[in-house]
Amino acid sequence: AQSVTQPDIHITVSEGASLELRCNYSYGATPYLFWYVQSPGQGLQLLLKYFSGDTLVQGIKGFEAEFKRSQSSFNLRKPSVHWSDAAEYFCAVGAASGGSYIPTFGRGTSLIVHP
Amino acid sequence: DGGITQSPKYLFRKEGQNVTLSCEQNLNHDAMYWYRQDPGQGLRLIYYSQIVNDFQKGDIAEGYSVSREKKESFPLTVTSAQKNPTAFYLCASSATGGVNEQYFGPGTRLTVT
Repeated sequence: AQSVTQPDIHITVSEGASLELRCNYSYGATPYLFWYVQSPGQGLQLLLKYFSGDTLVQGIKGFEAEFKRSQSSFNLRKPSVHWSDAAEYFCAVGAASGGSYIPTFGRGTSLIVHP
Repeated sequence: DGGITQSPKYLFRKEGQNVTLSCEQNLNHDAMYWYRQDPGQGLRLIYYSQIVNDFQKGDIAEGYSVSREKKESFPLTVTSAQKNPTAFYLCASSATGGVNEQYFGPGTRLTVT
């Protein structure tokens, strides 16, 4: 079965600083990987996804993520954080099996942005 | 606009009462999902449905029930058998036929006292 680990529960950065949120997955085959963002009291919104091809994926709001098979990682990055990026970030791994697709989510990383 | 609606946003119930959370989508998605979210625990899958009139238990189905009589609707009932029902509940949908991203509703916060 697949699993996802987000090692950092909280990350604090200053506005304008760069950001990297870590995600490690466990899955036997090529994974399908996602990053979602959740503002307080809201649903989740897809930031970006990796299915195949170029291992550096561009998403919305200036985010990008890099798939590294050798490290089983899919870390999310942003070169300059804005105060509005403060939110909860979830990494997810999906695997198709027998016609069903059930993603597994990490526990999330809470991003705090200082002015 | 296409999307997922969940109602109500906030729900309060007394212990021992069943309560039904609504989830409707107009994205023409075949698959729908219910998640429970508690602080620090991420999203845990309660039930999912890949097609009308069929659904499967997720990781924490005990104390919950669902129905899928229409493609657009996937209501979740939190029964009195659920020991800790107070939580934030999220509904999602996705296309089928492969691995597709999920679209989420705004959530319902249920408080049981």
